[in-house]
Amino acid sequence: EPEVTQTPSHQVTQMGQEVILRCVPISNHLYFYWYRQILGQKVEFLVSFYNNEISEKSEIFDDQFSVERPDGSNFTLKIRSTKLEDSAMYFCASSETGFTEAFFGQGTRLTVV
Amino acid sequence: GESVGLHLPTLSVQEGDNSIINCAYSNSASDYFIWYKQESGKGPQFIIDIRSNMDKRQGQRVTVLLNKTVKHLSLQIAATQPGDSAVYFCAELPAGGGSNYKLTFGKGTLLTVNP
Repeated sequence: EPEVTQTPSHQVTQMGQEVILRCVPISNHLYFYWYRQILGQKVEFLVSFYNNEISEKSEIFDDQFSVERPDGSNFTLKIRSTKLEDSAMYFCASSETGFTEAFFGQGTRLTVV
Repeated sequence: GESVGLHLPTLSVQEGDNSIINCAYSNSASDYFIWYKQESGKGPQFIIDIRSNMDKRQGQRVTVLLNKTVKHLSLQIAATQPGDSAVYFCAELPAGGGSNYKLTFGKGTLLTVNP
């Protein structure tokens, strides 16, 4: 069964450092998303991406965040200068049409120390 | 503000019983609702969805009911099994979600199935 894969599964970084979280969406999907989940809290929308550009972003997705689809298979989330409060599970998701279910990856646990 | 929330944070049932997980939503413009299951250390897994033009949808052992009058969504799991133990989230998508697909998730209900 096709699945969304994310790497790494766990990333520990020092405050102020840049991190790149990587995702390989399902191959025929056209819509890509990043969500995050702070421990014990709701899953929160960060950004959606379609046709090589951001469709929508939340208030969380400030100038420290960026997304990129550097090639035909990867979708990345970059945090330029990490803060302690960026510690969370980051989930990548993809959807075939945008009107159907989104499939989520296993997540990357980011710990900022 | 607009929100999606769950009435109960935890639910404990005996194996073989039916489970009912509830969710309230406040955005009357929401058009599409999804139930996700999240097991420990994993991402949300799609269970079942329902559009606002329906009031009931059935899957394998699961049924979702939508009551638009009171903005209430429920997930019924028949003959609950230990493998059903997980956190269950409802999520909503406003009309015209399309490429935005900005799901709003509830906080989640932890379902524990006792053998």
